[in-house]
Amino acid sequence: GEDVEQSLFLSVREGDSSVINCTYTDSSSTYLYWYKQEPGAGLQLLTYIFSNMDMKQDQRLTVLLNKKDKHLSLRIADTQTGDSAIYFCAENEGNDMRFGAGTRLTVKP
Amino acid sequence: ETGVTQTPRHLVMGMTNKKSLKCEQHLGHNAMYWYKQSAKKPLELMFVYSLEERVENNSVPSRFSPECPNSSHLFLHLHTLQPEDSALYLCASSQDLPGTYTEAFFGQGTRLTVV
Repeated sequence: GEDVEQSLFLSVREGDSSVINCTYTDSSSTYLYWYKQEPGAGLQLLTYIFSNMDMKQDQRLTVLLNKKDKHLSLRIADTQTGDSAIYFCAENEGNDMRFGAGTRLTVKP
Repeated sequence: ETGVTQTPRHLVMGMTNKKSLKCEQHLGHNAMYWYKQSAKKPLELMFVYSLEERVENNSVPSRFSPECPNSSHLFLHLHTLQPEDSALYLCASSQDLPGTYTEAFFGQGTRLTVV
């Protein structure tokens, strides 16, 4: 398909790791992004990865990129209740920034 | 606070009404966007402006009409909408068009309900 695809829901317990997966469409995308949307707010850039990298780590966040399968994942270590939000995967495609439907992460105490 | 402001935050309108959504950024960005966010669907890119010129129109119905009078302001004019147009409309801006690394800054959105 032509959409950036993500599963819609993920529920984890506080302290566990969360893994959010995404399949993107454009093999020529130079950057891939993760955005976070908290309730009542717009999207904010969380992290990104350059397409010639396989992995990027930023504190509790680890981004993994598999270019062959066009698969991107976001791992959040030691997930906290404040991490509850919707997480969007995005790619740049020409003049467009294309987003998935978002994965709603719920963190249970 | 991302530097992108949208008004109104909430809007209820009848199918025969005409209304406008407003977006404002003072980040010095050259590109501005309208997205539609519906439940369980990918964020839908509607319009892209670069330096006040429209560069993308992704098959959006003519009942949605964008306007970019200057690089800081973007409007979405609405008329004779349908109930299925009810959604969260997000405005975003970026320094330049995506092509290399680009961070998009989003407003909080306008929650539109068409009755």
